[in-house]
Amino acid sequence: DIQMTQSPSSVSASVGDRVTITCRASQSTSTWLAWYQQKPGKAPKVLIYDASSLQNGVPSRFSGSGSGTDFTLTISNLQPEDFATYYCQHTNSFPTFGGGTKVEIK
Amino acid sequence: QVQLVQSGAEVKKPGSSVRVSCKASGGTFRTDALTWVRQAPGQGPEWMGGIIPMFGVTNYAHRFQGRLTITADESTNTVYMELRRLGSEDTAIYYCARGVVTVPPVGGYFDFWGQGTLVTVSS
Repeated sequence: DIQMTQSPSSVSASVGDRVTITCRASQSTSTWLAWYQQKPGKAPKVLIYDASSLQNGVPSRFSGSGSGTDFTLTISNLQPEDFATYYCQHTNSFPTFGGGTKVEIK
Repeated sequence: QVQLVQSGAEVKKPGSSVRVSCKASGGTFRTDALTWVRQAPGQGPEWMGGIIPMFGVTNYAHRFQGRLTITADESTNTVYMELRRLGSEDTAIYYCARGVVTVPPVGGYFDFWGQGTLVTVSS
């Protein structure tokens, strides 16, 4: 199975900041990658699919990039509702998720 | 708008089995890829397996082969997940989710989720 490693595991930021989260796959997954946001007590919500495509209804301050083994999620102009945990997931056969990055208030 | 409504919380003894249901509405049940994802406390999500009811074909993550069964009842638009030989490591929230297939048959991402079902395994 492909292993997904996220960094950092947590980041402290302020409203208005730009936050970057990285995800590395143990082998190439082309652009078969999705990003999710999860808030406490809620199911994950898909933000990005195919590495850089924005899911319907997701604000444009979220963006994704990368291919092969290295991927990035960027949140521009961080908003109060963006404080949450973010997961990457490869969407190739037998999907696996990363360990998560918690975005906390500085 | 797809809605997925799951059955309630369960408490099980080690070695027993659990069955969780997920009733779907608002989508195309027969052709949707309906999957199960679990999340242990403090951990990332983990894909378990899925089914496309029209084909009746199921796919399971390797680590659950032999003790996981996913079935679908088209008459009630309900998907079931049964996990056998439970251990304490199976304590988790179990989610059903609709998969958007990217790499057939088992690659994809998940765009609609149920509310989750807490399964606690304890003696």
